[in-house]
Amino acid sequence: QVQLKETGPDLVQLTQTLSITCTVSGFSLTTYNVHWVRQPPGKGLEWMGAMWNGGGTDYNSAFKSRLSISRDTSKSQVFLKMNSLQTDDTAKYFCARQRYNSPFDYWGQGVMVTVSS
Amino acid sequence: DVVLTQTPVSLSVTLGDQASISCRSSQSLEYSDGYTYLEWYLQKPGQSPQLLIYEVSNRFSGVPDRFIGSGSGTDFTLKISRVEPEDLGVYYCFQATHDPYTFGAGTKLELK
Repeated sequence: QVQLKETGPDLVQLTQTLSITCTVSGFSLTTYNVHWVRQPPGKGLEWMGAMWNGGGTDYNSAFKSRLSISRDTSKSQVFLKMNSLQTDDTAKYFCARQRYNSPFDYWGQGVMVTVSS
Repeated sequence: DVVLTQTPVSLSVTLGDQASISCRSSQSLEYSDGYTYLEWYLQKPGQSPQLLIYEVSNRFSGVPDRFIGSGSGTDFTLKISRVEPEDLGVYYCFQATHDPYTFGAGTKLELK
């Protein structure tokens, strides 16, 4: 059974670093890519970046050098780290699965993160 | 970056009606391999997005045939014939042809 689950803090202080883990089951990170998408409250979806099945990464330039994605295949986990958080980084953060050139067929439930001053 | 413009922003329908959502891209979404990576997702209230349509017109497993995707190049449409209660929510188009990938702003389908 395919599952993705995001875990992370509910609250992060302004200018601090956000760390979220996406733990997957039912498939291998060496076969599927995992993407990160976020959604501010009441707003639309924004693609953040990806961990490719081969171990490479891709980032939305909108996040410049603030964003880092990594993984631990032995634990079936993908990690998102973003530094210098601002209040407009308050959002629900989702991870989603993708096979090469295929769509996002499974999504996690998301984790809501609030950036507080 | 590719901008996807969805219209309308919201759509009020009666159950059983047809609904149509447009997604226009600032660039052609045909990739060099000949495929067009334009997808449609539905986000129901309080839920994660769910895949409806991929490569313009292919329905994902389990998606009813009342959902029909069409289009090419820069102009795409999602039609829902005979809207049912479980179809209500926000629809997003999404392109995975150009990096960075981008979503449309969403179209909220609600009951009249």
